Amino acid sequence: DAGVIQSPRHEVTEMGQEVTLRCKPISGHDYLFWYRQTMMRGLELLIYFNNNVPIDDSGMPEDRFSAKMPNASFSTLKIQPSEPRDSAVYFCASSFTWTALTGELFFGEGSRLTVL
Amino acid sequence: GEDVEQSLFLSVREGDSSVINCTYTDSSSTYLYWYKQEPGAGLQLLTYIFSNMDMKQDQRLTVLLNKKDKHLSLRIADTQTGDSAIYFCAEEGGTYKYIFGTGTRLKVLA
Repeated sequence: DAGVIQSPRHEVTEMGQEVTLRCKPISGHDYLFWYRQTMMRGLELLIYFNNNVPIDDSGMPEDRFSAKMPNASFSTLKIQPSEPRDSAVYFCASSFTWTALTGELFFGEGSRLTVL
Repeated sequence: GEDVEQSLFLSVREGDSSVINCTYTDSSSTYLYWYKQEPGAGLQLLTYIFSNMDMKQDQRLTVLLNKKDKHLSLRIADTQTGDSAIYFCAEEGGTYKYIFGTGTRLKVLA
C-alpha cells in the first residue's frame, strides 16, 4: 500500500509568489495533519482535518496560509504571498482515529520550500 | 505553555549505547513518544510509553520516564550505523495534537 504522498518534493520560488503544496493521505485514513519543520522551531502543527473538516487551525501562522481538504484523498496547503521566513519542510501526515489517539501518524516525505 | 526540549546533537561509536534525553512540560500527557526521522524521509513512530509506566523495553530500545522531573530518555543498545537519524520526543498537547521537540541528531561513527 502506498504511503502518504506529497508534492512537490522541492520548490524554490521568489518572495510574493503563490505556493501550493499537495498531499494524498493513505486510503481509509480519516485524520490528516499538516506540520512545518524548521531548524529554529522544530516541528509545528499547522492544522488538522477529520473526515475532510478542519478541526484545529490554531497553528496556522497567519492569513497568508490556507489549507483545504476537498475530499478524503487530497489536501492542499497554500501560501499567498510567500515570504522568505516561510522556507521550511512541510510535512503531511495521516492516520486512523484509533492510531491518531496513540500518536501513530504516518508521515509523507515532506515538501522542502525555499522562498528567495 | 507546552514545550519539549532536547539536545541537538549526539555522536557515539558503533556498538556503544546511545542515550537521548528530553524534558517536557505537560504532565497531563497520557502517552509520551519517540519518533525517528531518517534522511530525506518523514517521521516514523519508534515507540511510546504510557504515563503510568517508568520503563518500557523493546528489543534494543529502552524508554525511561521520570514523571517527577518530566524527563524522558531513549536508550539504544549496541548502536548501529543504521540508527543514524534525528530522534524526536513528543508529548500530547491536546486530543490529536502532538508537541514535538526540535530533535536530536544522532551520528554513529564506524
